[in-house]
Amino acid sequence: GQNIDQPTEMTATEGAIVQINCTYQTSGFNGLFWYQQHAGEAPTFLSYNVLDGLEEKGRFSSFLSRSKGYSYLLLKELQMKDSASYLCAVEDSNYQLIWGAGTKLIIKP
Amino acid sequence: NAGVTQTPKFRVLKTGQSMTLLCAQDMNHEYMYWYRQDPGMGLRLIHYSVGEGTTAKGEVPDGYNVSRLKKQNFLLGLESAAPSQTSVYFCASTDGGEADTQYFGPGTRLTVL
Repeated sequence: GQNIDQPTEMTATEGAIVQINCTYQTSGFNGLFWYQQHAGEAPTFLSYNVLDGLEEKGRFSSFLSRSKGYSYLLLKELQMKDSASYLCAVEDSNYQLIWGAGTKLIIKP
Repeated sequence: NAGVTQTPKFRVLKTGQSMTLLCAQDMNHEYMYWYRQDPGMGLRLIHYSVGEGTTAKGEVPDGYNVSRLKKQNFLLGLESAAPSQTSVYFCASTDGGEADTQYFGPGTRLTVL
């Protein structure tokens, strides 16, 4: 079966760095996405990786290793507004997204 | 651009009642999706459409029907609601290009009593 695993919840301090991991087993791979979802709101796109390596976008970076079925989202200089759930999703061989359950990130002052 | 909109935002139904959720997008996207989101679970695909007049089943289609009569609209119907359909429903659309980013509507929070 297809499976996306990520931690349920993480806590970090304002101004610090946090890494959210995602491992996946899917039928085929056409890319990995990270979305941010604030409580009560819709998911919004953060990043996309299809090749191995690191993609950097401002305070956020995303890494992919296809051979290990592994990705992480790195958030630097954490701000209170970064408190949200972070969703990992993999596009499978049918070009459909398989979603993880999300990691709830709590930022403390 | 309004992006992706959904109506209604909230709804309470009794078991056995029917309703239709409307999704509209103004980005001229070909692909549209209906997901449900439940606590502790990832988004699950109910039905999707790859273009006007076409629909297909996703991971959890039972108890739902859809229609895509116009490119900009994607309707999700519940013919006989059940408590197991209590959930938050999200519509999404994409142009199907590289990176295939999905744009989500604000969601409909449905409670079935």
